[in-house]
Amino acid sequence: GENVEQHPSTLSVQEGDSAVIKCTYSDSASNYFPWYKQELGKRPQLIIDIRSNVGEKKDQRIAVTLNKTAKHFSLHITETQPEDSAVYFCAASFGAAGNKLTFGGGTRVLVKP
Amino acid sequence: GAVVSQHPSRVICKSGTSVKIECRSLDFQATTMFWYRQFPKQSLMLMATSNEGSKATYEQGVEKDKFLINHASLTLSTLTVTSAHPEDSSFYICSARDVGGLGGNQPQHFGDGTRLSIL
Repeated sequence: GENVEQHPSTLSVQEGDSAVIKCTYSDSASNYFPWYKQELGKRPQLIIDIRSNVGEKKDQRIAVTLNKTAKHFSLHITETQPEDSAVYFCAASFGAAGNKLTFGGGTRVLVKP
Repeated sequence: GAVVSQHPSRVICKSGTSVKIECRSLDFQATTMFWYRQFPKQSLMLMATSNEGSKATYEQGVEKDKFLINHASLTLSTLTVTSAHPEDSSFYICSARDVGGLGGNQPQHFGDGTRLSIL
């Protein structure tokens, strides 16, 4: 089955700096890669996703890049703000598997004012 | 759009009690819903895939007789933790996928989760 590794597990950045989280996946058949943000005790919220036919996607301060050959994808947050502090999860899935998501271990991001 | 409602948000009960958790897609239809378990400071672990009108598919190591799943309609799936014990205490979250769109991979939308505490 699919295995998703996520690094780093914790990330502390100064407000205004950039944050980068990296994930690798094992199943070359995976073709959908969402990123979720989870605040303490709350639901994971989809912040951005990318499909395997695209190498990069951007939405305001958030961008995701995908390298299918190397089987890794990354989340980039620019101009970080205190409200970006949360746990971020990457995930991977393959359509024929009913969109079952395999999650990475999560990255706890702390943005210091 | 794409709102998933989960109820109850918190349950505290005695050991041996069975607890039912509901997951509803409020503004879309979901042939497939997913149930996850999350321990403190850990990732989401998929327990089972709930399929409307058919049996759920359980992940390896998840006891189907312990965690009963029913998906009777396109907008409702239920998870019943039977004869719950303290080790079943956890945060349970459901998600649902909108059947609309182009098919294939569509985003999963999560409920608010249920914090289950067994005394």
